[in-house]
Amino acid sequence: KNEVEQSPQNLTAQEGEFITINCSYSVGISALHWLQQHPGGGIVSLFMLSSGKKKHGRLIATINIQEKHSSLHITASHPRDSAVYICAVRGGGGTSYGKLTFGQGTILTVHP
Amino acid sequence: DAGVIQSPRHEVTEMGQEVTLRCKPISGHNSLFWYRQTMMRGLELLIYFNNNVPIDDSGMPEDRFSAKMPNASFSTLKIQPSEPRDSAVYFCASSKGPGGELFFGEGSRLTVL
Repeated sequence: KNEVEQSPQNLTAQEGEFITINCSYSVGISALHWLQQHPGGGIVSLFMLSSGKKKHGRLIATINIQEKHSSLHITASHPRDSAVYICAVRGGGGTSYGKLTFGQGTILTVHP
Repeated sequence: DAGVIQSPRHEVTEMGQEVTLRCKPISGHNSLFWYRQTMMRGLELLIYFNNNVPIDDSGMPEDRFSAKMPNASFSTLKIQPSEPRDSAVYFCASSKGPGGELFFGEGSRLTVL
């Protein structure tokens, strides 16, 4: 079992739909990152969170430390949101503090 | 700010050749990370530096890989000799401290024939 599991692996939506991507992890962490990668492109950090909820524009990220679970929501989805969304967790301490363990990614396609 | 700068963006080489990838972190960031991305294994941390010192190199595949950070504004990842299984996209990222928000470079796509 991977330390970081994302679901779904693939997601197709129509423009305007509300989208949720889930991430579950099995280890103690100090923070969780959500990353976005467009096809053939670089990686952009969307959120870094260790508790509660963060919002940036149409994107919302939540984390439940007790349940070891995080969700990324996209409201009013748009074709430009089509990308791979990657969940990554940072280790709890020592030299693992800087080490990210990545989920396998969720491929999101939003059709007009 | 120019962001994290990586070079080359693309490299095609033959098996056995030496490959050097370069990274310039964002000014003021004191943590630098090298990641590798493949279809089979996704993103993996190879090594990270804090204040130019390697902290965790447990992800470096084998002795053919080496990384250096001679100063705060430059790092290299070297593969010698290269093998076809090293073909991947190599990303460099930097942050303010090992727990800070990560900023990624555009990546270096390596193909070893």
